[in-house]
Amino acid sequence: GQNIDQPTEMTATEGAIVQINCTYQTSGFNGLFWYQQHAGEAPTFLSYNVLDGLEEKGRFSSFLSRSKGYSYLLLKELQMKDSASYLCALMDSNYQLIWGAGTKLIIKP
Amino acid sequence: GAVVSQHPSWVICKSGTSVKIECRSLDFQATTMFWYRQFPKQSLMLMATSNEGSKATYEQGVEKDKFLINHASLTLSTLTVTSAHPEDSSFYICSARDGSSIETQYFGPGTRLLVL
Repeated sequence: GQNIDQPTEMTATEGAIVQINCTYQTSGFNGLFWYQQHAGEAPTFLSYNVLDGLEEKGRFSSFLSRSKGYSYLLLKELQMKDSASYLCALMDSNYQLIWGAGTKLIIKP
Repeated sequence: GAVVSQHPSWVICKSGTSVKIECRSLDFQATTMFWYRQFPKQSLMLMATSNEGSKATYEQGVEKDKFLINHASLTLSTLTVTSAHPEDSSFYICSARDGSSIETQYFGPGTRLLVL
């Protein structure tokens, strides 16, 4: 089976940097996704990693280590609008998304 | 970019009634559509996967006779919650995948269902 772990909640300050970690166990792997979800809205795609390493996209970066079953999402220059839940999801051998419980990120001025 | 719409965005109904939710891909053909349910402060839970023209594949624990899914065309899938009860109140989200990229799912805006 699969298992995904990420912190329930994190707090950071506007303008700062925050790293949200995600660890997983799975028998089949076709990539790891990060999504952002604001309250009451559907998730929006942030990043997709299938190979080891760091993918940078503006203020957001995502890292993957397949051997360690580990990923993180790095958010720089935090803005108040970044307050949201961040969902880690892995794509299994059937190309279905298995979702983590999400990390609620609270940004303080 | 690819757009997926859902209708309605909000629905309030009485217990025992049936509710139909539509999911449409507006500018691409969705060979596969997914239906998710999300309870407050929880993550998305996949309910079923539907491929155009074939029966939906339901996840374990999801009653196929209660949650009827029809994927009759490449741009439309419907989820009907039959004989809805208060415990069915949730946020229902669909996503769609075209045939070009198996990794990519485009999400609809979600439908919030409240059963009184």
